[in-house]
Amino acid sequence: EIVMTQSPATLSVSPGERATLSCRASQTISSTLAWYQQKSGQAPRLLIYGASTRATGIPARFSGSGSGTEFTLTISTLQSEDVAVYYCQQYNDWPPLTFGGGTKVEIK
Amino acid sequence: EVQLVESGGGLVQPGGSLRLSCAASGFTFSTYEINWVRQAPGKGLEWVSYIDSSGNSIYYADSVKGRFTISRDNAKKSLYLQMNSLRAEDTAVYYCARTSMSLLRGYFDYWGQGTLVTVSS
Repeated sequence: EIVMTQSPATLSVSPGERATLSCRASQTISSTLAWYQQKSGQAPRLLIYGASTRATGIPARFSGSGSGTEFTLTISTLQSEDVAVYYCQQYNDWPPLTFGGGTKVEIK
Repeated sequence: EVQLVESGGGLVQPGGSLRLSCAASGFTFSTYEINWVRQAPGKGLEWVSYIDSSGNSIYYADSVKGRFTISRDNAKKSLYLQMNSLRAEDTAVYYCARTSMSLLRGYFDYWGQGTLVTVSS
């Protein structure tokens, strides 16, 4: 089973500043990585797939990068509506499909 | 508009059974692979089960294997999860999530709003 590890657990960022979230896979997964955003009380929403491709309707301030075992989700200029928990998920080798533990992004 | 609507959650005693449903609309249900993903209160996401478009290929997480059964009825555009021998650790919001129809499958492009299952005496 591929283990996904996210860091930090919580990230406090001032409005308009950059937020950088990390995700690490326990073994190489090429670019088969997705990112999801989950706001409080809501279902997750797909942000990024293929490590760097934005899903339909996702603002350009969200970008993904990385391959192999190290991945990054960047929010270029944080807005108040970006407060949420962000999860990474690998789909290179499954079952099982596995998620990271999440990074909570809050406003400083 | 793609919609996935779960139902069937509720309070059940340990050892009991529950059947969840997910009603799909806004897309050609019979051509998509679908999953169940759960989230325990205050915790992260855990993939539970997968079924392909025809129902012939099915996978489960080890934590539910032998206790849960996924199925689908393409004529009714519905997905099901039969949950038996329920345990306290199965308490969670259960989401149905559509697998994106892309070359490399395995990520979820649409999610339902979830249904809460509580296992407690």
